[in-house]
Amino acid sequence: DAGVTQSPTHLIKTRGQQVTLRCSPKSGHDTVSWYQQALGQGPQFIFQYYEEEERQRGNFPDRFSGHQFPNYSSELNVNALLLGDSALYLCASSLGDRATNTIYFGEGSWLTVV
Amino acid sequence: DAKTTQPNSMESNEEEPVHLPCNHSTISGTDYIHWYRQLPSQGPEYVIHGLTSNVNNRMASLAIAEDRKSSTLILHRATLRDAAVYYCILRDGGSQGNLIFGKGTKLSVKP
Repeated sequence: DAGVTQSPTHLIKTRGQQVTLRCSPKSGHDTVSWYQQALGQGPQFIFQYYEEEERQRGNFPDRFSGHQFPNYSSELNVNALLLGDSALYLCASSLGDRATNTIYFGEGSWLTVV
Repeated sequence: DAKTTQPNSMESNEEEPVHLPCNHSTISGTDYIHWYRQLPSQGPEYVIHGLTSNVNNRMASLAIAEDRKSSTLILHRATLRDAAVYYCILRDGGSQGNLIFGKGTKLSVKP
């Protein structure tokens, strides 16, 4: 049973460009969340998707957007990249979003903005 | 979500027990206590969670204070593979439950 898979694993972008990161949730999971983790910090919640709709959003600008597809996979898009967007982007999935549900994380996509 | 306080770092010797403390003095009655850990160059992974009673699983034990204002994650025999950042997180059982991470405790295990 594959866990949460993310692609690409590493990428380098230039300031001002746009990037799309992809995530396939663990089999059977319908809820996908995205987190940003800067070096030396804990992950920060970006947003959560369920039934193809954004249900919750953290304190991130509109440059960060996402999408969930009917097969529950998800994309994170970041427009007008800034140097400060350099981070590890983590996708997490769960079955529903109850506080007792285990959340599974992928290994992340390392984004470097130069 | 309520805030948690953890030591920045701890050290342990291999094969010895490790007690990782977490303070959550403003915990509400519906908050579950979750622990996740993040090994180097990996995403966080679930360790254990509890509400009021102590909990055991194959990875660890969770001891919850009677007033629920603190908890301790117990690794019974630390291995080198347990070196990681450990996060104590409160999740409100009455609302949609995204995770709010602090800086966690960086555990070093010496051979």
